Amino acid sequence: NAGVMQNPRHLVRRRGQEARLRCSPMKGHSHVYWYRQLPEEGLKFMVYLQKENIIDESGMPKERFSAEFPKEGPSILRIQQVVRGDSAAYFCASSPGTGRPQHFGDGTRLSIL
Amino acid sequence: EDQVTQSPEALRLQEGESSSLNCSYTVSGLRGLFWYRQDPGKGPEFLFTLYSAGEEKEKERLKATLTKKESFLHITAPKPEDSATYLCAVQRFHTQGGSEKLVFGKGTKLTVNP
Repeated sequence: NAGVMQNPRHLVRRRGQEARLRCSPMKGHSHVYWYRQLPEEGLKFMVYLQKENIIDESGMPKERFSAEFPKEGPSILRIQQVVRGDSAAYFCASSPGTGRPQHFGDGTRLSIL
Repeated sequence: EDQVTQSPEALRLQEGESSSLNCSYTVSGLRGLFWYRQDPGKGPEFLFTLYSAGEEKEKERLKATLTKKESFLHITAPKPEDSATYLCAVQRFHTQGGSEKLVFGKGTKLTVNP
């Protein structure tokens, strides 16, 4: 079952360190999306990418956060100099094209000490 | 700004007791309304997409309906394995190359007791 694969499932970082979250989309899917889920809150959109292009990053904080989806390999969400408020579940989704349903991975739970 | 409000926040049912979950939305040009199911520690699992008012979709004990302002997820004769958080999301129409982002509600946590 080649679903959306995210790793690691759990990541612990100390304040000031970097966090790198990886996402491999479903086979045949060229659109990747990142969402963040804070405790007691809904899923919030962060960024939408296609191969080698960022299409919409309107939900991503301007500082410390970046995302890429290279020609080869998984999509990466990178958080530099993490702070306690970055603790959350980060979900990746993929879809085969415009307007098609997005399918989600099981997320990376990021904890900041 | 696009908004999605789900009610109730939590719902407890006895096995076999049918009910409905509500999703009210405000969006400038609806492309699609999506229902997902999320189990603890897991990612959202896609259930349905509805594109236009009057449309209905069914899957096992679940049926989703759509009007111009809201969507309902009807659960008929639920079983304990239907216990989960049900999420509703909307996607707006954009010109080519525009965003495909989903705007989610906070979900309804459904518990079905045996």
